[in-house]
Amino acid sequence: NAGVTQTPKFQVLKTGQSMTLQCAQDMNHEYMSWYRQDPGMGLRLIHYSVGAGITDQGEVPNGYNVSRSTTEDFPLRLLSAAPSQTSVYFCASRNRDGHYGYTFGSGTRLTVV
Amino acid sequence: AQTVTQSQPEMSVQEAETVTLSCTYDTSESDYYLFWYKQPPSRQMILVIRQEAYKQQNATENRFSVNFQKAAKSFSLKISDSQLGDAAMYFCAYSYYSGAGSYQLTFGKGTKLSVIP
Repeated sequence: NAGVTQTPKFQVLKTGQSMTLQCAQDMNHEYMSWYRQDPGMGLRLIHYSVGAGITDQGEVPNGYNVSRSTTEDFPLRLLSAAPSQTSVYFCASRNRDGHYGYTFGSGTRLTVV
Repeated sequence: AQTVTQSQPEMSVQEAETVTLSCTYDTSESDYYLFWYKQPPSRQMILVIRQEAYKQQNATENRFSVNFQKAAKSFSLKISDSQLGDAAMYFCAYSYYSGAGSYQLTFGKGTKLSVIP
């Protein structure tokens, strides 16, 4: 029962570098989202997807790109990392019925120096 | 815009005692869902309890229960017989149908709960 798998768990980047945070779920969930968690800010929505080929922006999308080519995978791309993107990133998924909330991955702690 | 407010950044409770975490929200929607998530030091987000707005009965999950006051837009979490393992950050979250079949979560800023042995 893997659920939502995020890789890597930790990452250090230099300013200006690019990278992709991976997210995969094996529950055949249609809906997937990326959140970032900062101290004292709770979790804020970056991007989300309601199905393969469909993505949309959340509250804090700047500096991030996403794509959804398959139901299982929803990678988050940082094109040119900035110190302001130092955060903990969570991927989450849920099925069509929103009653039961989201299943979260274990998070990626990203530090941009 | 929907907002979720947790007015208690930190709280503490004696082991075996009861504690209540507060949450208020602002919305013009009538059909929505409310959740409490627990985040222990492991960082994992764990769903504790959920409430559908159209249900008047308060949700209960073992030692966890909520006091849902729809008119007041209040959704507090009560933890009974507190245990050391309850020590964590607790997030209140709100979800509603935002079009295109999506239910996006809006989180409060969290309450850090400490349990004193």
